[in-house]
Amino acid sequence: GAGVSQSPRYKVAKRGQDVALRCDPISGHVSLFWYQQALGQGPEFLTYFQNEAQLDKSGLPSDRFFAERPEGSVSTLKIQRTQQEDSAVYLCASSPAPEAEQYFGPGTRLTVT
Amino acid sequence: GQQLNQSPQSMFIQEGEDVSMNCTSSSIFNTWLWYKQEPGEGPVLLIALYKAGELTSNGRLTAQFGITRKDSFLNISASIPSDVGIYFCAGPELSGSARQLTFGSGTQLTVLP
Repeated sequence: GAGVSQSPRYKVAKRGQDVALRCDPISGHVSLFWYQQALGQGPEFLTYFQNEAQLDKSGLPSDRFFAERPEGSVSTLKIQRTQQEDSAVYLCASSPAPEAEQYFGPGTRLTVT
Repeated sequence: GQQLNQSPQSMFIQEGEDVSMNCTSSSIFNTWLWYKQEPGEGPVLLIALYKAGELTSNGRLTAQFGITRKDSFLNISASIPSDVGIYFCAGPELSGSARQLTFGSGTQLTVLP
């Protein structure tokens, strides 16, 4: 079956531009997570949704980061006024229940120049 | 938040050799997870450990949950070229009603023919 998909796979943005990263979770998965993975590091938690409700956004690094999941399925991570330090791979994961195994997408590699 | 220290950072081994890597934490975890990440892909769960002292195998992979609940190790026996990748340990932190994952910094494994 289809796994988690993310688009675009690669994004180059000039500093100051806004970007939107999309995540299509596995159908029927209620939980959705966003992680940020800097080069040479493990993923770091950004935010969590249960259906359409954003229950935890404690990992978002600044108010330039915003995530939504309006219909409890597809999610978008938006970064406003991108900075060089935002360059990273952004991973989305979904799970059928809050404490169940998380299935990761391939990530979007964001490069800010 | 909690931090996971993973070692070694990288390993170069000959095909057929056994590999061992470990992960330690300053805090107690109730679950330990081991993931593998290949280039351009998201992490994939290899083994999950739920009980202190537990030893679990998945094919050529064996992982143990330390008695103190502050460490875990992963062994790979008779390595093959497709074992190449980055191996991460991870532990869930209960946040709200979900388990956000804390990852180690990874062990990069290279298998030489």
